[in-house]
Amino acid sequence: DIQMTQSPFFLSASVGDTVNLTCRASQNINSYVNWYQHKPGRAPNLLIYAASALHSGVPSRFSGSGSGTDFTLTIRSLHPEDFATYYCQQSYTLSPWTFGQGTKVEIK
Amino acid sequence: EVQVVESGGGLIQSGESLRLSCVASGFSVSWMAWVRQAPEKGLEWVALIYGGGYIDYADSVKGRFTASRDESTNTIYLQMNGLGAEDTAIYYCAKVGDSWYGDRYSYYIDVWGKGTTVTVSS
Repeated sequence: DIQMTQSPFFLSASVGDTVNLTCRASQNINSYVNWYQHKPGRAPNLLIYAASALHSGVPSRFSGSGSGTDFTLTIRSLHPEDFATYYCQQSYTLSPWTFGQGTKVEIK
Repeated sequence: EVQVVESGGGLIQSGESLRLSCVASGFSVSWMAWVRQAPEKGLEWVALIYGGGYIDYADSVKGRFTASRDESTNTIYLQMNGLGAEDTAIYYCAKVGDSWYGDRYSYYIDVWGKGTTVTVSS
């Protein structure tokens, strides 16, 4: 199985900051990575697919990069509504279709 | 509007069964998934229904859970048998999208439901 390891587990930041969330795959997965935002009590939202493609309707302050085993989600100029938990997911293989453990972005 | 709405969650005893339903609107069910989140835990993929009808499961539920799709009612189901405390979670129904990348499709979840809560009491 492909393991996805996210870091850090928690991240404290202020409105206006730029933050980088990382995700490492246990093997080469090309660019088959998705990123999701999840707030408590709400449905998760797709942000990025194929490592760097911005999903329709997602603000341009979100961007994704990386290939192979190392991937980054960058949020430029944090807005108040961006404080949430972020998950990466590999789509190199769908069996099993694995997520990272999440990074919680908290208000400093 | 493209959306999915889950139902069927509840409080049950260990060893019992439960069936979740998910009604889709704004699109025809094809590639669909179930994902869950246990209390204080992250997202865990549970089942994937392929467009051609093949269905795959996470090892943690294989042999106990059965997913199905009814195109006539645009609904998918998750039959859960032999439930245990480890199955306590919010269960999300999801639409799977795809995009051609490189030499094959890249898959992702582009529509999520709000979830239905399953609590298994021991």
